[in-house]
Amino acid sequence: DGGITQSPKYLFRKEGQNVTLSCEQNLNHDAMYWYRQDPGQGLRLIYYSQIVNDFQKGDIAEGYSVSREKKESFPLTVTSAQKNPTAFYLCASSTDRLYGYTFGSGTRLTVV
Amino acid sequence: QKEVEQDPGPLSVPEGAIVSLNCTYSNSAFQYFMWYRQYSRKGPELLMYTYSSGNKEDGRFTAQVDKSSKYISLFIRDSQPSDSATYLCAMSTYSGNTPLVFGKGTRLSVIA
Repeated sequence: DGGITQSPKYLFRKEGQNVTLSCEQNLNHDAMYWYRQDPGQGLRLIYYSQIVNDFQKGDIAEGYSVSREKKESFPLTVTSAQKNPTAFYLCASSTDRLYGYTFGSGTRLTVV
Repeated sequence: QKEVEQDPGPLSVPEGAIVSLNCTYSNSAFQYFMWYRQYSRKGPELLMYTYSSGNKEDGRFTAQVDKSSKYISLFIRDSQPSDSATYLCAMSTYSGNTPLVFGKGTRLSVIA
């Protein structure tokens, strides 16, 4: 079945550590997106990529980094520069944004 | 003024009620409108998609767009406890490659 897979489902990070969240899709979608979701804040765009080897900052890119070396994969690294990383992270992909996104099931990151 | 405004709720209704969820927007260039449903701790799933003005019906769900008022609605008839979720509106312009703009979501509880 085609879909978008995020792993791990739960992730714990110590302060000062970098962690990488995985996002893989087998939908042959060109575009991929990373969102952060906090209670009462809705979805906030971190980074997006329209094509391999190219990506753009979203509204809250500070403290995050991404790469897009393969069409299927768009990993997100939460760096130690991100001061408040505890949140629910969602990855999405689309073949044409005009017809909506397909979302993964999310990764819940907690700083301990 | 935010581009998309959505009442966060929570909205609590008895089973069988008609539910009305709404978003207003400020950008008159928006032409593509979507509704997503998100269950707790899951990724959003695309529920309804409409282009420009008018109504679209799918089972118990009706999406309505009023571009003159910059107002979109999602109606749920004969609401069920399984409809309890957060509903997010999203919209896009036709031109350019900018990501979808999301509302913050309305949390709905349908009480049996």
